[in-house]
Amino acid sequence: NAGVTQTPKFRILKIGQSMTLQCAQDMNHNYMYWYRQDPGMGLKLIYYSVGAGITDKGEVPNGYNVSRSTTEDFPLRLELAAPSQTSVYFCASSSGLGDTQYFGPGTRLTVL
Amino acid sequence: GEDVEQSLFLSVREGDSSVINCTYTDSSSTYLYWYKQEPGAGLQLLTYIFSNMDMKQDQRLTVLLNKKDKHLSLRIADTQTGDSAIYFCAESQGTGANNLFFGTGTRLTVIP
Repeated sequence: NAGVTQTPKFRILKIGQSMTLQCAQDMNHNYMYWYRQDPGMGLKLIYYSVGAGITDKGEVPNGYNVSRSTTEDFPLRLELAAPSQTSVYFCASSSGLGDTQYFGPGTRLTVL
Repeated sequence: GEDVEQSLFLSVREGDSSVINCTYTDSSSTYLYWYKQEPGAGLQLLTYIFSNMDMKQDQRLTVLLNKKDKHLSLRIADTQTGDSAIYFCAESQGTGANNLFFGTGTRLTVIP
């Protein structure tokens, strides 16, 4: 199993640009999550999904959108990038409610 | 969200034991986790403890939980230079997909 994979590893965006961060898992997990990690801070939940077709907001959803058309994939979209979205983004998955979350390697995004 | 607090830095000499501490505020936590993040990498689950346990040992790692004081610690015996990383404490209520809260992380530096 590859586990949780994320692409790209790094990206620099200009203010106002859009992009999609990709996340995929091959563990047949129902639950998937997007977090952001700001320097010197813990992780904050952006969005999560409890299964294909079902998504919900986390603690810091503004400026982001997600979709979950398949069990494996959970892309995160930034529509109008802002400097405040400069962060490291982690995707995670778990098999069920409250189960251990497994993390991807992260995407480092800089918005200039 | 809930408060999960950790000290930011810890330095130890190679071969010594490291103790990383974490306090949390939510008395209804069901699982508590320790994650390791090496430079430029994602989070790696090290170990976890269920809230009805006091201690869990896994090779060089010992987790102690004082539920009364809401205090969690991770002890690493015979600390090696490869243990240098950021260690995140996280707590989960296990009742919802959006109920995993992270501390700010403790940067462990192992001095040769």
